[in-house]
Amino acid sequence: GAVVSQHPSWVICKSGTSVKIECRSLDFQATTMFWYRQFPKQSLMLMATSNEGSKATYEQGVEKDKFLINHASLTLSTLTVTSAHPEDSSFYICSARTGGYVVQYFGPGTRLTVT
Amino acid sequence: DQQVKQNSPSLSVQEGRISILNCDYTNSMFDYFLWYKKYPAEGPTFLISISSIKDKNEDGRFTVFLNKSAKHLSLHIVPSQPGDSAVYFCAASYNYGQNFVFGPGTRLSVLP
Repeated sequence: GAVVSQHPSWVICKSGTSVKIECRSLDFQATTMFWYRQFPKQSLMLMATSNEGSKATYEQGVEKDKFLINHASLTLSTLTVTSAHPEDSSFYICSARTGGYVVQYFGPGTRLTVT
Repeated sequence: DQQVKQNSPSLSVQEGRISILNCDYTNSMFDYFLWYKKYPAEGPTFLISISSIKDKNEDGRFTVFLNKSAKHLSLHIVPSQPGDSAVYFCAASYNYGQNFVFGPGTRLSVLP
C-alpha cells in the first residue's frame, strides 16, 4: 500500500511555456501533499504544502505565482511551472500522507528540463 | 543554517558488515525523525522512524538510535547488502510530523 505516482516522469519544455506535473495517491486518501525540489547532489527542498481543498502554503523564497499548486481532491495534486526558464530545470518530487499519520510517501519524481 | 546535518557525504562498507549512517540536528524542538532511502531518478522510500520518546527502534536489518542530549541519531544496517547502496536521508520534524526538514544525504556503497 501507500503508493504515490507522478506523471510525467520526464518532460522537456521550451522557455516561456508552462508545464503541469500530476501527483496521485493510488491507494489512500492524501489529506496533505507536499512538493519538493532536488538539485543534483543536494537534499530535498520543500517548496509547498497543500491540504485538500485549501490553498497551498509556500516555503520562503518559493514564488507562488510561478509554481501553481492545486490539491483538488484527496488523491490528486498538481504543480504547474509557469513561464518556465532553464533555471527551473530540476527534479520535482511530491509526497503524500493521510490523516494523523506522520510518514510521507513519495512519488517517483519528475525530471523537468527547460531548453 | 542547516538544521539537519549528515556530515558524511559518502560511506563505503563491505557486504555483510555493519553500515552506520549518522545524522545531527540543531533544533531541540524536533520530536520525530525518519530515515529514507533514495535510488537515482526515483523518489525516496521510507525506511524507519523514531519519536523522541524512544531511544531505539528496530525493523529487520535496520535499527535507528536516538540520543536526544547529543541531538544525534544514527541508522544501523546489519548485515549490509549490495542492494542497500543508495543515498540515505534523515528527516526531522517538530509538532509530530508537521513539515519535515531533510538532511543533505549520505551515499552508501556496499561492496560485494
